[in-house]
Amino acid sequence: RKEVEQDPGPFNVPEGATVAFNCTYSNSASQSFFWYRQDCRKEPKLLMSVYSSGNEDGRFTAQLNRASQYISLLIRDSKLSDSATYLCVVKGGFQKLVFGTGTRLLVSP
Amino acid sequence: DVKVTQSSRYLVKRTGEKVFLECVQDMDHENMFWYRQDPGLGLRLIYFSYDVKMKEKGDIPEGYSVSREKKERFSLILESASTNQTSMYLCASSLGSGANVLTFGAGSRLTVL
Repeated sequence: RKEVEQDPGPFNVPEGATVAFNCTYSNSASQSFFWYRQDCRKEPKLLMSVYSSGNEDGRFTAQLNRASQYISLLIRDSKLSDSATYLCVVKGGFQKLVFGTGTRLLVSP
Repeated sequence: DVKVTQSSRYLVKRTGEKVFLECVQDMDHENMFWYRQDPGLGLRLIYFSYDVKMKEKGDIPEGYSVSREKKERFSLILESASTNQTSMYLCASSLGSGANVLTFGAGSRLTVL
């Protein structure tokens, strides 16, 4: 079993739609969780950290479910510019960040 | 903003050649990392360094070495390039004792023929 698993997609949604991605992780001792965004042919960039209580940043909401060992990302009112690959990242042991393979989102007019 | 600069965006090398990938960051970050990214496999950690002259193996160090002689510079070396090292190489840096937030360079796409 992979340490971090994501549905690769693509998720095809129209503008204005709400879309959600999940990411499961295998190490129950994982302490920190993040979502990164990667545009085509670009480097990954931090989108948001995921806190135990959940957190929201504008149209983006991240949730953590420790009991079921998954994190989620919800995007409301999708924009064309949201089209990208979303990488789930989990921090396990010292210095070690484990990346998922990413979920591709395509937002169409 | 933190800037991580990778000197070469695209390289084409032949099997057996020695390859140097250079990475420089300008914000005094302690930690630096080298990843490779391949379709379906995601980002995999090759090596990282948390201080000058210090290095730690990541998940896939075989066939690679690194050098960190100065805090701002972290080099990835392929002693004898092979075709299975064709990939996108991403350098990243982070501040402090926990690698919580990474800032990536733009990447170096290496093709080994």
